[in-house]
Amino acid sequence: DGGITQSPKYLFRKEGQNVTLSCEQNLNHDAMYWYRQDPGQGLRLIYYSQIVNDFQKGDIAEGYSVSREKKESFPLTVTSAQKNPTAFYLCASSDGTATMNTEAFFGQGTRLTVV
Amino acid sequence: AQKVTQAQTEISVVEKEDVTLDCVYETRDTTYYLFWYKQPPSGELVFLIRRNSFDEQNEISGRYSWNFQKSTSSFNFTITASQVVDSAVYFCALSEVGTGNQFYFGTGTSLTVIP
Repeated sequence: DGGITQSPKYLFRKEGQNVTLSCEQNLNHDAMYWYRQDPGQGLRLIYYSQIVNDFQKGDIAEGYSVSREKKESFPLTVTSAQKNPTAFYLCASSDGTATMNTEAFFGQGTRLTVV
Repeated sequence: AQKVTQAQTEISVVEKEDVTLDCVYETRDTTYYLFWYKQPPSGELVFLIRRNSFDEQNEISGRYSWNFQKSTSSFNFTITASQVVDSAVYFCALSEVGTGNQFYFGTGTSLTVIP
């Protein structure tokens, strides 16, 4: 089945450690996104990529890094510089072009907890 | 400035009542897209509808209907004869073709349908 797969579903990290969240899609979409969700704050954009080997910072990129070496994959690294990383992370993709955009398809999310 | 505003943080209704979720957006683009998503307790966002800026026709899908009014920059969502399964957080989102197809989400409305 086509879709977006995020792993792991739950992740625990010790303070000071980097951790990488996986996001894979087989929808052949060019655009991919990472969002962070905190209670009562909706979804905030961390990074997005419109094409392989290119990505842009979103509203809250500090303390995060990404790569887009393959069309199917857009991993997110939460670094030790992120002061408050405990949150729910959602990955999405869409089939946008310069003149139109489709809906975003979302993965099931990764819940990261710093212990 | 917030591009998408969902002023209703939480709504509770009794089963079979109708309920309208409000969404107000802000954009200078002439070509944009509006979306509604449902987020059940499992966390994954489920796509409900996509509407482009050139199509102001209202849409009905079963118990769901959407009212798009460019004059008031609103894209409201009505659930008729609500059911317990409708309990979820609902997000309205905006995507502007002119800004690289980013998705801007509102803060969400948490709907509780009481049996």
